[in-house]
Amino acid sequence: IVMTQSPATLSLSPGERATFSCRASQSVDSSQISWYQQKPGQAPRLLIYGASTRATGIPARFSGSGSGTDFTLTISSLQPEDFAVYYCQRDLFGGGTKVEIK
Amino acid sequence: QVQLVQSGGEVKKPGASVKVSCKTSGYTFVNYGISWVRQAPGQGLEWMGWIGGDSRDVGYAEKFYGRVTMTTDTSTSTAYMELRSLTSDDTALYYCARDIHYVRDVWGQGTMVTVPS
Repeated sequence: IVMTQSPATLSLSPGERATFSCRASQSVDSSQISWYQQKPGQAPRLLIYGASTRATGIPARFSGSGSGTDFTLTISSLQPEDFAVYYCQRDLFGGGTKVEIK
Repeated sequence: QVQLVQSGGEVKKPGASVKVSCKTSGYTFVNYGISWVRQAPGQGLEWMGWIGGDSRDVGYAEKFYGRVTMTTDTSTSTAYMELRSLTSDDTALYYCARDIHYVRDVWGQGTMVTVPS
């Protein structure tokens, strides 16, 4: 199952809402979808699992939704520390979406 | 606390093999699997495969069939990933991650494998 993320890059300002899309090549069980954040020089960090459950310690501004083939990660109000690359994954990873400061 | 500590960086010649270790602590090893993920310089994350803590189940990404072997040693709570027939395209940072039902919640620090062209 191939995961496709869009857009490749998001240019946003702190305080803005960020929405990331992830599409699977075929329908998947939503319990198998996770989202990760990666900052330069760091290992990935689990944000969301089961498509919508926040991992331990993840702020409430991060939320996940979706089912079937379409999944979404939303950051309600971008904080300076949120500028990073975000990946969705079942087994294979999506290509990632980079959030950069506008 | 849960920790995954990986072996040190390696430099290998083309055609050689590399074996990376991932020593775990702070949890019951056999109750979780281990996924292996790599990241080439400046590129995205690439899932390589998964192994159950007791080694009874293993699955590899199609791209690595025949070239990768994942194993575990329950006596030392350590997972291993061996990649053979290395080329310069295998130059990457290799991560292990604790895995339960598609949730990779704790990651190792990464092991850099360099294959000069």
